[in-house]
Amino acid sequence: KQEVTQIPAALSVPEGENLVLNCSFTDSAIYNLQWFRQDPGKGLTSLLLIQSSQREQTSGRLNASLDKSSGRSTLYIAASQPGDSATYLCAVKKNAGNMLTFGGGTRLMVKP
Amino acid sequence: GAVVSQHPSRVICKSGTSVKIECRSLDFQATTMFWYRQFPKQSLMLMATSNEGSKATYEQGVEKDKFLINHASLTLSTLTVTSAHPEDSSFYICSARGRNQQGRDTQYFGPGTRLTVL
Repeated sequence: KQEVTQIPAALSVPEGENLVLNCSFTDSAIYNLQWFRQDPGKGLTSLLLIQSSQREQTSGRLNASLDKSSGRSTLYIAASQPGDSATYLCAVKKNAGNMLTFGGGTRLMVKP
Repeated sequence: GAVVSQHPSRVICKSGTSVKIECRSLDFQATTMFWYRQFPKQSLMLMATSNEGSKATYEQGVEKDKFLINHASLTLSTLTVTSAHPEDSSFYICSARGRNQQGRDTQYFGPGTRLTVL
């Protein structure tokens, strides 16, 4: 059974810092991996999706990498801003028709 | 672009009553819909998966007689919490999977429904 772990569970940083969020998964046979953002009391917003054949994806100040063999993904946020404060979730999919398995999330607080 | 909507966004009900939550896919046909539940400061937990026109598949520990799921069309799925109790208070999120306008298989999430049972 796939297990997804995110470290740290919570993170507080001053504005402007570059930071890295970690996601690990136990079964390396994945179809894709996705990073989401969730604001308090809100639904999910998809940030980046990495197919199993890809090693990274970039969108603005966000960069996500994938190392399937080691079962790891990182989300890099450059020049963090208070508006980045949210919970970040990673999720993996085993195959095209399968459900997503979510990690526990990392609660990020960026202080002005 | 493709969007998934949920209604209502927030509901407060008395213990013992039933509550229906709707999940609609806009601009695409959802062959599969997923229902998740999220308790405060916890991640999403999959409750059930439903394919259009067939019975939902429930995850272990989820009572199918309590959480009724109907996926009668390719654009609508409903989750009914029957005889709700305070411990059912949670954030319910639906997700729809289908092909977007570019023909790619993808999955979209709804904004969630906050259920509070008094």
